[in-house]
Amino acid sequence: AQSVTQLDSQVPVFEEAPVELRCNYSSSVSVYLFWYVQYPNQGLQLLLKYLSGSTLVESINGFEAEFNKSQTSFHLRKPSVHISDTAEYFCAVRESNTGNQFYFGTGTSLTVIP
Amino acid sequence: DVKVTQSSRYLVKRTGEKVFLECVQDMDHENMFWYRQDPGLGLRLIYFSYDVKMKEKGDIPEGYSVSREKKERFSLILESASTNQTSMYLCAHSGAQGGNQPQHFGDGTRLSIL
Repeated sequence: AQSVTQLDSQVPVFEEAPVELRCNYSSSVSVYLFWYVQYPNQGLQLLLKYLSGSTLVESINGFEAEFNKSQTSFHLRKPSVHISDTAEYFCAVRESNTGNQFYFGTGTSLTVIP
Repeated sequence: DVKVTQSSRYLVKRTGEKVFLECVQDMDHENMFWYRQDPGLGLRLIYFSYDVKMKEKGDIPEGYSVSREKKERFSLILESASTNQTSMYLCAHSGAQGGNQPQHFGDGTRLSIL
């Protein structure tokens, strides 16, 4: 089974500052990678995904994540955060050949300070 | 738009009651999942189903059962509710095994057991 690690449980950052949320996974097999965002009292929404091809993937609201196979990482970044980015962020992994299951990290709570 | 409907947003039940949480999806997807979400623990998989009448235990199945009589509906059952089952419950679905589709989540049911 996969293990997904989000080392930072809480990340406070000032508005308009850059942010990086870290995600590492355990498996060396081929995987699909996802970042989800959860706003208060809501379910998880897909933010972006890596399936194949370019290792840098982007979302429509300015987030990007880079797949690094050698470091088994998929860190999420944004160059300038807004108040509205305050939310919980989850990294998830699905094995590409056999996977029914998704493996989630424990989440990172991003708080943007005005 | 992908739609995942969970029958209740908030639910309050008493210890010992039998509790049903319903989830309906409109994507004709094979895989459906039930998670519980607790602060600091992220998402933990309770059960998942990859076809009608098929089910697999997740990481924390104790005290729960599931039912999948129709492809679009996946029910979570608490046979005899206990206070330690107070939590946020999230339903999700995705495409077939090994596929590259993400999971789609409902808005969650916040269940309180008194």
